[in-house]
Amino acid sequence: AQSVAQPEDQVNVAEGNPLTVKCTYSVSGNPYLFWYVQYPNRGLQFLLKYITGDNLVKGSYGFEAEFNKSQTSFHLKKPSALVSDSALYFCAVRDGGNKLIFGAGTRLAVHP
Amino acid sequence: DADVTQTPRNRITKTGKRIMLECSQTKGHDRMYWYRQDPGLGLRLIYYSFDVKDINKGEISDGYSVSRQAQAKFSLSLESAIPNQTALYFCATSRRDASPQHFGDGTRLSIL
Repeated sequence: AQSVAQPEDQVNVAEGNPLTVKCTYSVSGNPYLFWYVQYPNRGLQFLLKYITGDNLVKGSYGFEAEFNKSQTSFHLKKPSALVSDSALYFCAVRDGGNKLIFGAGTRLAVHP
Repeated sequence: DADVTQTPRNRITKTGKRIMLECSQTKGHDRMYWYRQDPGLGLRLIYYSFDVKDINKGEISDGYSVSRQAQAKFSLSLESAIPNQTALYFCATSRRDASPQHFGDGTRLSIL
């Protein structure tokens, strides 16, 4: 069965430092992977996706994610964090029926 | 982004009451979804619909029902609300391909 794991409940980083939010997945077949961000009192907003092609995917707000097939990982990264990046981040994988399976979420806190 | 609109945004009600949450979209998407979000559990799929005449159970459909009144409208009902249905509920839409899902801003439901 398809599943997604986000091993960190919270990630703390200083403003200006690089950030990584981790995600590992388990799927049968080729994975379709997504990252979403949720700000307070808002729905989830799409950041980026991996379907096929380059392992480094670029998305919105300066975020990127690296797909690693051998490690079954799809970590979210940003070279220089902003305080405004503080939010809840979700990794998701699409199952065979075109439904999304979400991880539990990782809260990112960027400190000034 | 008001392309996916959920009403009401907040609702407090009592155990045993029937509740309806409504979702409408102007994106022209065929597919619509209902999720609930609980802290530490991410988003879990309740029901989904790939077309007007299509209704499918998700991971946690017990205690819920849905109606797809038109391509643009998908409502979620709690027939007899219970306290453990207190959660944040999200509606989402997507096209038929591997494009991302688009989320409404959610309904915060509290059942006393």
